[in-house]
Amino acid sequence: NAGVMQNPRHLVRRRGQEARLRCSPMKGHSHVYWYRQLPEEGLKFMVYLQKENIIDESGMPKERFSAEFPKEGPSILRIQQVVRGDSAAYFCASSPVIGDIRHTEAFFGQGTRLTVV
Amino acid sequence: AQTVTQSQPEMSVQEAETVTLSCTYDTSESDYYLFWYKQPPSRQMILVIRQEAYKQQNATENRFSVNFQKAAKSFSLKISDSQLGDAAMYFCAYRSAGWGNMLTFGGGTRLMVKP
Repeated sequence: NAGVMQNPRHLVRRRGQEARLRCSPMKGHSHVYWYRQLPEEGLKFMVYLQKENIIDESGMPKERFSAEFPKEGPSILRIQQVVRGDSAAYFCASSPVIGDIRHTEAFFGQGTRLTVV
Repeated sequence: AQTVTQSQPEMSVQEAETVTLSCTYDTSESDYYLFWYKQPPSRQMILVIRQEAYKQQNATENRFSVNFQKAAKSFSLKISDSQLGDAAMYFCAYRSAGWGNMLTFGGGTRLMVKP
C-alpha cells in the first residue's frame, strides 16, 4: 500500500510564475490536508479537503493560493504569481474516513520544496 | 484557538543516554489528541507516539514514552537509550477530538545525538 505521494519533490519557479503541487492520498483515504513549513519553523495548516469539497481553508492566504481535490486524480495546491516569501516546504497529509479506527491519524507525504528565485 | 509551544529549540544527548523534550499547549477543550512527530533530514514526517487526552495512562512505544499532564497542559517526550538515528527535528502537535483532523504544531526541537 503506497504512502501519500507528492510531486514534484523539488520545484523552482521564478517570481510571477505559477506553482502546482500535487498530492495523491493513500488508497482508501478521502481526507486531504495541506500544510506549509517555512525554514526552521513548524508546519502550519493551510486547507482541508474532501473529494470535490473544500471543508476548511482557514489557513490559506486569501490571494494567489487555491486548492482542489477532484473526483478523479490528485489534490492540487496552486500558487499563482509566486513571490520569494512563498519559498517553503509544502506537505500533504491524508487520513481515512471517520469511522475507521485510525481516522485520527494523519499520514504525511515527503513534501514539495518550493524555491522562488 | 489552540497553541503549541516547544521551548527548547535545540537539545543534545549522548548516545545511550535519556533525553526529555518539552511541549506545552493551550486549549479550552477537554477531549483532544496529542502527537510527537519526528522529521529527519529527508523531511518525511514520521509519527513517533500519540496520546488520547481521555486516557490517564501515558503512552509508550518501545524507547519512546510521554509524560502527559492534562491539568498542566504539558506533554513531554522521553527518549531512552538514545541512538544516532534519533537525531532529527521533533514536533509536538495537537488535534481536536471533533470534526476534521487538522493538526496544530509547535515550532520544533532539534535533537542532536553525540556518539
